[in-house]
Amino acid sequence: QVQLVESGGGVVQPGGSLRLSCVATGISFSTSAMHWVRQAPGKGLEWVAYIRPDESDKFYADSVRGRFTISRDNSQNTLFLQMNSLRTEDAAVYYCARDFWGFFFDYWGQGTLVTVSS
Amino acid sequence: EIVLTQSPATLSVSPGERAILSCRASQNTGNNLAWYQQKPGQAPRLLIYFGSTRATGTPARFSGSGSGTEFTLTISSLQSEDCALYYCQQYHNWPPQFTFGPGTKVDIK
Repeated sequence: QVQLVESGGGVVQPGGSLRLSCVATGISFSTSAMHWVRQAPGKGLEWVAYIRPDESDKFYADSVRGRFTISRDNSQNTLFLQMNSLRTEDAAVYYCARDFWGFFFDYWGQGTLVTVSS
Repeated sequence: EIVLTQSPATLSVSPGERAILSCRASQNTGNNLAWYQQKPGQAPRLLIYFGSTRATGTPARFSGSGSGTEFTLTISSLQSEDCALYYCQQYHNWPPQFTFGPGTKVDIK
């Protein structure tokens, strides 16, 4: 059974930092490209970042490039998202998702909520 | 940047009736389009990929069609458990970007 479990969300002030984690079980994590996707409260889905299995490529949405960093630890089946210089508009539920065919997302975690507020 | 437009924003359908959801891309996206279902408080679930291929576990009443810039998700006979938000999503290869449409809410009339 595939499980992606995110953690690390919480309340942070504007300008602050937060590190999200996503632990994967039931998939071959070390051979899976992974993504972070977010959803602001009551809003639609927004892709955030992508990482190849060997970290050889990392791509970011324009809205987070230069502030967020995606990384992974294949020995721990864990995906990370380091979020710096957080803005109020970064407040959202953050989902990790497995890449499917290089185009889509087939497995999703349950999400972790990030609140950015003073 | 490819922009996805979904219509209608809300669709009310009687149980057992057909629901037709539309997704339009601002540029040709080939068949690199997927549909996701999201119920309140849940993560999205992949329903259809490459425009028309059902994902594992997707009921046969869901079908996808289209290519290029016009795509359709059809629910042939709406069930109560199909009430949800439906998002289309495409991939653009350079710069690498994954874009979602704004969603269509389907509810029971």
